[in-house]
Amino acid sequence: GNSVTQMEGPVTLSEEAFLTINCTYTATGYPSLFWYVQYPGEGLQLLLKATKADDKGSNKGFEATYRKETTSFHLEKGSVQVSDSAVYFCALSEHSGGATNKLIFGTGTLLAVQP
Amino acid sequence: EAGVAQSPRYKIIEKRQSVAFWCNPISGHATLYWYQQILGQGPKLLIQFQNNGVVDDSQLPKDRFSAERLKGVDSTLKIQPAKLEDSAVYLCASSLGPPGIGYTFGSGTRLTVV
Repeated sequence: GNSVTQMEGPVTLSEEAFLTINCTYTATGYPSLFWYVQYPGEGLQLLLKATKADDKGSNKGFEATYRKETTSFHLEKGSVQVSDSAVYFCALSEHSGGATNKLIFGTGTLLAVQP
Repeated sequence: EAGVAQSPRYKIIEKRQSVAFWCNPISGHATLYWYQQILGQGPKLLIQFQNNGVVDDSQLPKDRFSAERLKGVDSTLKIQPAKLEDSAVYLCASSLGPPGIGYTFGSGTRLTVV
């Protein structure tokens, strides 16, 4: 079945450091890929998305490129801030006819940014 | 626009008791989802509604969990009787319907079963 694997955390970085959170997926079709963020005490928020191969999603300085050849969707940011501390979830949604499909999530990666 | 509303925010019950969660989706969103997020894991879909019909409930433990969406708007998720392993955050989400479009999640209900 479809699945998402992301690197285990926690990831601890100093402010202004470069961030990479790895995500790979397994899917039988052509999924859309997402990164969600969950700040402490808050709900899940969509951070960025990509709907087809080679698309790059970007938002708030974060980027991820849909790589079909490596089945990956790694999250990157050039310079993290303390306010980026949160749990990051990689997810996929596979198209199937006309019905909206479920999101399949990875286990989440906790990012802690220190001043 | 208003977001997805959920209540209560927190709930503590004893095992074998029953509990119900309520969700009000974004106006006009035809699709509604209930997810279960156990601590340290990603959310897992329990049930998906399209208007007031069930699209996917393959992961719903039907011996104890039930859900309904009256008139294609609000939804209620019920657990009866609760087990310790049901302790989790229950997230409701809604979307307009087309594939590949990100969902909007509510803040969730944190259930603790003791």
